[in-house]
Amino acid sequence: DTAVSQTPKYLVTQMGNDKSIKCEQNLGHDTMYWYKQDSKKFLKIMFSYNNKELIINETVPNRFSPKSPDKAHLNLHINSLELGDSAVYFCASSQGVGGVTDTQYFGPGTRLTVL
Amino acid sequence: AQKVTQAQTEISVVEKEDVTLDCVYETRDTTYYLFWYKQPPSGELVFLIRRNSFDEQNEISGRYSWNFQKSTSSFNFTITASQVVDSAVYFCALSEADSGYSTLTFGKGTMLLVSP
Repeated sequence: DTAVSQTPKYLVTQMGNDKSIKCEQNLGHDTMYWYKQDSKKFLKIMFSYNNKELIINETVPNRFSPKSPDKAHLNLHINSLELGDSAVYFCASSQGVGGVTDTQYFGPGTRLTVL
Repeated sequence: AQKVTQAQTEISVVEKEDVTLDCVYETRDTTYYLFWYKQPPSGELVFLIRRNSFDEQNEISGRYSWNFQKSTSSFNFTITASQVVDSAVYFCALSEADSGYSTLTFGKGTMLLVSP
């Protein structure tokens, strides 16, 4: 059983396009996250949601818009894609409210390539 | 300043060697958590361990062991008798709660290459 799943696994698109990445967790967790891993493998938090409410919003261009239809899903929509958006995007979830004690479990990642 | 420093960018060992991956962190919080994650070549991020700031006991899990020392702000990870399947990028991460909600700050990772 997949705990945290993401679709698609690979996404290749042209500059200027709009794309979405979907994330679902079947762990019953209350908090979900989006991270970006750049070409140097550096991982950085983008957003987190607790029970569909945004709780962390790091300095991310407003072309990135997360949406949480329910607490098991957190999607990431990206408008007007740029070359610099090429990265691996990871979704994660945790059981708690997004506090310091939470252990985050990650999805398999979505490799986005913008041409 | 980096909050989590993994000074070793890449380590190469031969199978069966022991290897230690270093992690030094920086925080002003008294309550915090430290984590290690593994990212194998297939790309997923696998949780390995979580340790809270009040528990300095070393932990052993099979060939893996972790040494947490608050005096040196370090949380080092040792793999005993390394195997080729241990080849991966290993990330150390720090969880703090500046404003109630936690941000997980990752180090830059250490790539471990284990050759046969």
